[in-house]
Amino acid sequence: AQSVTQLGSHVSVSEGALVLLRCNYSSSVPPYLFWYVQYPNQGLQLLLKYTSAATLVKGINGFEAEFKKSETSFHLTKPSAHMSDAAEYFCAVSSGTASKLTFGTGTRLQVTL
Amino acid sequence: EAQVTQNPRYLITVTGKKLTVTCSQNMNHEYMSWYRQDPGLGLRQIYYSMNVEVTDKGDVPEGYKVSRKEKRNFPLILESPSPNQTSLYFCASSNRGVDTQYFGPGTRLTVL
Repeated sequence: AQSVTQLGSHVSVSEGALVLLRCNYSSSVPPYLFWYVQYPNQGLQLLLKYTSAATLVKGINGFEAEFKKSETSFHLTKPSAHMSDAAEYFCAVSSGTASKLTFGTGTRLQVTL
Repeated sequence: EAQVTQNPRYLITVTGKKLTVTCSQNMNHEYMSWYRQDPGLGLRQIYYSMNVEVTDKGDVPEGYKVSRKEKRNFPLILESPSPNQTSLYFCASSNRGVDTQYFGPGTRLTVL
């Protein structure tokens, strides 16, 4: 069985501040981990993914995430938030089963001036 | 342009009236999935397909049917919709199960 927990359904940061969105996973086998972003009234698009290569993964728009097996975490960070980063972010895990992707409940990021 | 298309984008219907939401991808992907998105619940997988004529249940398959007769198309069928199926539906495709999934724009369904 696989599952994802995203801590904090809403996160608010000031423009220029550090963004930290938390994700913890559970998987019985080495996982594949993903972060997707959903802008208002749009579908989801991939930010970054971990597939057992480097533990620090860099994605689009300046985001990165670090896979920590000992903590079963895959937190998403960005050093300096932009207004355009306001969106909903989903962490997802796959244990390798074809197309079996389990999503977290999402974190809505608000960026304020 | 590589894309996943869904139709219709918005649909309001009544309880019990059969409907189909179409999904098509032009990337020659083998894997396709349907998800529903509900507030506070994230995305939950309804059904997925690993190839033509190969489909399997996801986490919330009750009340839904799918078919995969062609590689590019993966329609979602609600034979007798009920109000608890009011939701935002997304179709997605990928080359392999653990590859990046490409999502359609979504279909907002309201069942009265």
